[in-house]
Order: sequence, then structure tokens, then C-alpha cells
Amino acid sequence: DIQMTQSPSSLSASVGDRVTITCRAGQSISSYLNWYQQKPGKAPKLLIYITSTLQSGVPSRFSGSGSGTDFTLTISSLQPEDFATYYCQQSYSTPYTFGQGTKLEIK
Amino acid sequence: QVQLQESGPGLVKPSETLSLICTVSGGSISTYYWSWIRQPPGQGLEWIGYVYYSGSTNYNPSLKSRVTISVDMSKNQFSLKLSSVTAADTAVYYCARAGSSGYVHYWGQGTLVTVSS
Repeated sequence: DIQMTQSPSSLSASVGDRVTITCRAGQSISSYLNWYQQKPGKAPKLLIYITSTLQSGVPSRFSGSGSGTDFTLTISSLQPEDFATYYCQQSYSTPYTFGQGTKLEIK
Repeated sequence: QVQLQESGPGLVKPSETLSLICTVSGGSISTYYWSWIRQPPGQGLEWIGYVYYSGSTNYNPSLKSRVTISVDMSKNQFSLKLSSVTAADTAVYYCARAGSSGYVHYWGQGTLVTVSS
């Protein structure tokens, strides 16, 4: 299995801040890295797929980059609705695996 | 707009079989990879496996000996069976639709299944 490691595990930030979450794969996954946002009691929501493609309807303040083993999710200016838990997922090979999550909290 | 809805018992006894159905509406079940993903309370996400509309399957090796995922195109449904469950299988179970590149485009709302006597 390909291990996915996110950092940090939790993050406190303020509205308007620029935030970056990192995801590292245990081996190269090319560009097969996806990002999800999950709010309490809700299903995850796809934000970005194949490293940097923004899912339809997702605000442009979200962006993704990287390749190989190192990837980032950036939120350019945090909004109140962005406080949630974020997961990365590799879809390079099965079993697909997720990072442990990054909980983004209000400072 | 595609919608997915899980259904099944919320409580299963240890050693028994967990059975869930996912009903797909707003689109055909043909094409795509129909998946199950679970999330233990307060924990992260675990991919269980998928069934392609043709019936071919791919399971997480950690669960492979206990999992069966199948599709019923006539009902626009797919299902999950997980045998010999223990308390460690207590989780919110999500059904989902994934594309060929493996990202999950649509999710069900999730259903909590508790394993307890």
C-alpha cells in the first residue's frame, strides 16, 4: 500500500490567512493526487483532482500543486466556510489510500 | 445531478455479515467505478473497494477475504457485504462514484454501522 502523510495534522488560522497543507506519498504517484474537504457529520467533498484540477463549483482560492511524492493544497484567503478537515488521496494504484487528515480550525 | 443513498441495518452483531445497498439516482450505473469507503468514528477514511459496472471488482487487500461488492444494473444499485465483523468494523460507510482516475466525484451521505451484541 502507498502511505500518505499529511502535515500538519491540525492548523489554527484566521479568516483572510493564506494556508498550505502538505501531502507526501511513500512512493511516486505521478500526478494522481486528490484533495477532499470534510465538515462534521458530512460526506467528504471533492475539491481538487489530479493534483491541480479544480472541481466544478469550488472557489478559485483553492489550488493544488506538486508531482511525484510531494503535493500541496493552498487556500489563498481563508473564508469562514473553509474551516474543516482536509484529506489527500492517492489514486495511482489500488488500494487507494488517504492521508490522515488536516483539521483546520479558527484561531 | 447524481445522488447516492446508502441503506441497511445500523446495528450488526459480532461475527455476522454487514450488508449495505447503495441506490443511485439521477444517472445510470453503467460506466464508472462504484465504491465503498468507510470512516471509523473520529478517524480517517479507508477505501474498501469498488465494482465496475461490468461486474469486475477490486478490493482492499486488508479486507479482501471478507468483502463482496456487487452491482445490480436493473435496479441501479450496488451493494457491500462484509463478513465476520468485529467492533473494529464500526464506522460510517459511504458509497461513492469514482472515475477511471480514481477520484471520488459523488458521495452518499454515509450510514453509521455499529458492531455490537
